[in-house]
Amino acid sequence: DIQMTQSPSSLSASVGDRVTITCRASQGISNYLAWYQQKPGKVPKLLIYAASTLQSGVPSRFSGSGSGTDFTLTISSLQPEDVATYYCQKYNSALTWTFGQGTKVEIK
Amino acid sequence: EVQLVESGGGLVQPGRSLRLSCAASGFTFDDYAMHWVRQAPGKGLEWVSGISWNSGSIGYADSVKGRFTISRDNAKNSLYLQMNSLRAEDTALYYCAKNKEAVTVAGSFDYWGQGTLVTVSS
Repeated sequence: DIQMTQSPSSLSASVGDRVTITCRASQGISNYLAWYQQKPGKVPKLLIYAASTLQSGVPSRFSGSGSGTDFTLTISSLQPEDVATYYCQKYNSALTWTFGQGTKVEIK
Repeated sequence: EVQLVESGGGLVQPGRSLRLSCAASGFTFDDYAMHWVRQAPGKGLEWVSGISWNSGSIGYADSVKGRFTISRDNAKNSLYLQMNSLRAEDTALYYCAKNKEAVTVAGSFDYWGQGTLVTVSS
């Protein structure tokens, strides 16, 4: 099975900072990669799909990139409302969907 | 408005069974694959099972294979998860989630329910 590894597991940054989270797949998954945001006590929310396509309604400070095995989620200017845990997910057609272990983002 | 409402969770003893349901509305249910995702207390997201729009393709996580069965009733706009031989490690909030892309089984999840809590304990 394909494993998804995120790094770092947590980070603390200041408001306005550029934040980058990486996700690595153990095998190539083309661009079948999504990113989710889960705020404390809330339901996960789709941010990005197809590695780099922003879901409708998601602020433009969020962006995604990558293909194959290495992917990145970037928050261009961290805002207080971005405090959350972020998960990557692979969804290629092998009938298994795998999440990364999550990255917790906090404000310094 | 898309709505996914899970039900059927509760406290159950190890080795017993439970059936979860997810009632869907606000979209053409039989066009989309559907999934169950769980989250143990304080832990990350774990995909549990997924089913294509016509039930022709089904997948399970290794952790539940042989114990859990996913199904759907398109006439009732409902998704189900039959959970047998439950273990303490199955304790989690179980979410129902909708595939973003129609027809294809490969997709991200664009809508999630609020979840139903399953606690496995003696």
